[in-house]
This record gives sequence, C-alpha cells and structure tokens, in this order.
Amino acid sequence: SQTIHQWPATLVQPVGSPLSLECTVEGTSNPNLYWYRQAAGRGLQLLFYSVGIGQISSEVPQNLSASRPQDRQFILSSKKLLLSDSGFYLCAWKGGAYNEQFFGPGTRLTVL
Amino acid sequence: AQTVTQSQPEMSVQEAETVTLSCTYDTSESDYYLFWYKQPPSRQMILVIRQEAYKQQNATENRFSVNFQKAAKSFSLKISDSQLGDAAMYFCARVGTGGFKTIFGAGTRLFVKA
Repeated sequence: SQTIHQWPATLVQPVGSPLSLECTVEGTSNPNLYWYRQAAGRGLQLLFYSVGIGQISSEVPQNLSASRPQDRQFILSSKKLLLSDSGFYLCAWKGGAYNEQFFGPGTRLTVL
Repeated sequence: AQTVTQSQPEMSVQEAETVTLSCTYDTSESDYYLFWYKQPPSRQMILVIRQEAYKQQNATENRFSVNFQKAAKSFSLKISDSQLGDAAMYFCARVGTGGFKTIFGAGTRLFVKA
C-alpha cells in the first residue's frame, strides 16, 4: 500500500531563516506530487505541483520554491522566511482510479 | 474559471441527527470526479466519499451519502446519525479525469452537539 510521509511535524523558525520541508511517498512510482498551504481555519492553497523528477510548476509567486530530486521525494524550501509564510503545509500525491489526492500528515510552520 | 463553492462556512448538527453540506462547482468538462474530504482537529485530510460524474447513481459510504445533480453542478454531502467524531472541516473538491490539479472549496466547519 502507499504511504506518504512529511517532516518535521512542527517547526518554529525566526524571520529570515531558511526552510526545508520534506515529503516522501512509498509504494508507488512516478506520482504527481503537490504542496499546499493552509492558513488557520481556511482552505487549501496550491503552491507547487510536479509530474516528474526535476519538473516543478508554481501556482503562486512567493517566497518559496520546490524541488523534486528523486521520483518519490518532494522538497519545499525558502532562503529567507517571512512572517506570512506561517501556516500548515500539506504534501499530497495523486493516484488511484479516481484521481484522488492522498495527503501527508502536514507540517505546522510558525515564523516568529 | 473552474471553481468549487461551499456557501456554508459553518454548520451545526445535534448528535444522531442528519446534516447536509452544500457544494456547487463550475466546469466545462463532461467527465470528472468529485470528492468530499474531512479534516478533523488533527488536520489530517481524509477522503470521505467520491463520485464519478458519468455515474448517475449517488455514492454512499456507510453514514455518508451524496446528492449529485450534474445538470445543476451540485454535489451535497449528507451525514446521517451524526456522531461527535464527525466534527471537522469538510472540503468539496473536483478534478478532471485527466487533470493534474484538484480544485478545492473553501470548506465548511461542522460542529456536532452532544
């Protein structure tokens, strides 16, 4: 069966510091991968998606970047965090017979 | 623009009662999939139910069922015999059969009263 991992679960970082969030998927190959951000009590904002190694599509211009160095690894990064980068970050992969998205447990990021 | 609209930011239901969450969407595609996701306080997104647009029969998963009206582009979720564990944020979503991006609604927060 397929599983998706995210780490860390919680992160508190100062403004101006770098960021690296990691997402890995097991049990499937060549998945479509996604990064979402969710503000408290709000909906999902698609940040990036990837259809293959080295292929990244950005949905919203921002302070963040994404990379996919391996087939089942998706990384969200920033060189200098802003207060507005605080939020809950979800990684997902798309699969199954119905194109549904399967989500990781998420990372809660607080920028102080 | 292809959108998914959830017009109820919050809903409340008494335990053991039935509640219906509304969702409408806009698309020019004829084939697509629709979903309801649940996000409990743990914030883990869980797929509750899915519907194929080319199937007229409404999907059912235990206490959860949908009312899919393709012509009206409406996809509501009915929760029967509500339980305290049903309290969560619920998101309606749509994706094309060959699409890369899933479009999510803004969510409806469901409160369940004991």
